[in-house]
Amino acid sequence: NAGVMQNPRHLVRRRGQEARLRCSPMKGHSHVYWYRQLPEEGLKFMVYLQKENIIDESGMPKERFSAEFPKEGPSILRIQQVVRGDSAAYFCASSPGTASGNTIYFGEGSWLTVV
Amino acid sequence: RKEVEQDPGPFNVPEGATVAFNCTYSNSASQSFFWYRQDCRKEPKLLMSVYSSGNEDGRFTAQLNRASQYISLLIRDSKLSDSATYLCVPRSWGKLQFGAGTQVVVTP
Repeated sequence: NAGVMQNPRHLVRRRGQEARLRCSPMKGHSHVYWYRQLPEEGLKFMVYLQKENIIDESGMPKERFSAEFPKEGPSILRIQQVVRGDSAAYFCASSPGTASGNTIYFGEGSWLTVV
Repeated sequence: RKEVEQDPGPFNVPEGATVAFNCTYSNSASQSFFWYRQDCRKEPKLLMSVYSSGNEDGRFTAQLNRASQYISLLIRDSKLSDSATYLCVPRSWGKLQFGAGTQVVVTP
């Protein structure tokens, strides 16, 4: 029973390029969350999605960032025109639902470096 | 007030000693709570879930005080492998909002 799968694990992009991070939730989980962790800082919520719907994007920067979770395939976090400040670890997590007892499980993260 | 507040530490703990630290939360609607641990450059991993007044799992004990809106974590007989950042997470609906975490360093 595979856990939350993220790829790529490490990604290097030049300033101005696009970064696409993928996340496949655990089997049976229909809720996906994306978090960002800057060096030496805590986890910051970005976006929460269900299949084909964005439920809460209150943590997403207003520009350049977008997320989707299509009916088929993984969730994608897309960062356009990357800047050095986007260098961070991006963690995806999934849960079976939103009930208060539902635990959220994390993937191993995608480390983005912008040069 | 922040949703979750934790003492960042670090708590320097001799091996074998006991360490305890608190987490305060602002959302009184939080129904359940989680403690995660995060090692350097790793993903957060679930340590313990708390649904009522507390929970105990081996050397780890969590206690919840709903009236004062805080939850504590106590680690007994600390091991070197307990060195990590411990993240407190109140759970209501939707996203998990993480605190900045408490760093624990267990020394030989």
